Amino acid sequence: QAGLTQPPSVSKGLRQTATLTCTGNSNNVGDQGAAWLQQHQGHPPKLLSYRNNNRPSGISERFSASRSGNTASLTITGLLPEDEADYYCSAWDSSLSAWVFGGGTKLTVL
Amino acid sequence: QVQLVESGGGVVQPGGSLRLSCAASGFSFSDYGMHWVRQAQGKGLEWVAIIWYDGSNKYYADSVKGRFTISRDNSKNTLYLQLNSLRAEDTAVYYCATGATPQNFDLWGQGTLVTVSS
Repeated sequence: QAGLTQPPSVSKGLRQTATLTCTGNSNNVGDQGAAWLQQHQGHPPKLLSYRNNNRPSGISERFSASRSGNTASLTITGLLPEDEADYYCSAWDSSLSAWVFGGGTKLTVL
Repeated sequence: QVQLVESGGGVVQPGGSLRLSCAASGFSFSDYGMHWVRQAQGKGLEWVAIIWYDGSNKYYADSVKGRFTISRDNSKNTLYLQLNSLRAEDTAVYYCATGATPQNFDLWGQGTLVTVSS
């Protein structure tokens, strides 16, 4: 099953803004949007955003998501050391009848 | 306390079987669809399967179709994953996660490690 495409790594400085991308197709990201998850080493993932820009309760407003066509984006403003983690996007693929994940982006905060 | 707790992982030989469990507490389990997601050491997340809140629908990743079976017992607030014909590439930490549309993957367990090795 083809997954979603994410850049393997992104590096940004402290207090800067990082934008992570996730590219799919019209059957997944372009259809119902993407969810974004954060995973710190040795911990389970944590949901940051679902259906493009809905944040679960308790998630900082520094995290915002959007979608343009078949590409979803996660923007993190005012980067903090604790934002250094792996970030995954995911979407339901209506042609596969399956959920698909991106390969993940490792965000480094310099 | 709202939580998911996986169990049942271990070491199994290629071709063997294992059953994983995911015990839910602190929320109305029978109202939620549920996922299994796995992660090999040092690798990304791989979706495995989903079951509807009432068990009426189940979907699988191609990589496990025909070998793994997802099921649930709402009377016991427990999700299961039966793993058969295991291969070395099935070695991973297996997580369960809630699957309530649209807020899928909202709650995760800590994971249980499955190692397939002779």
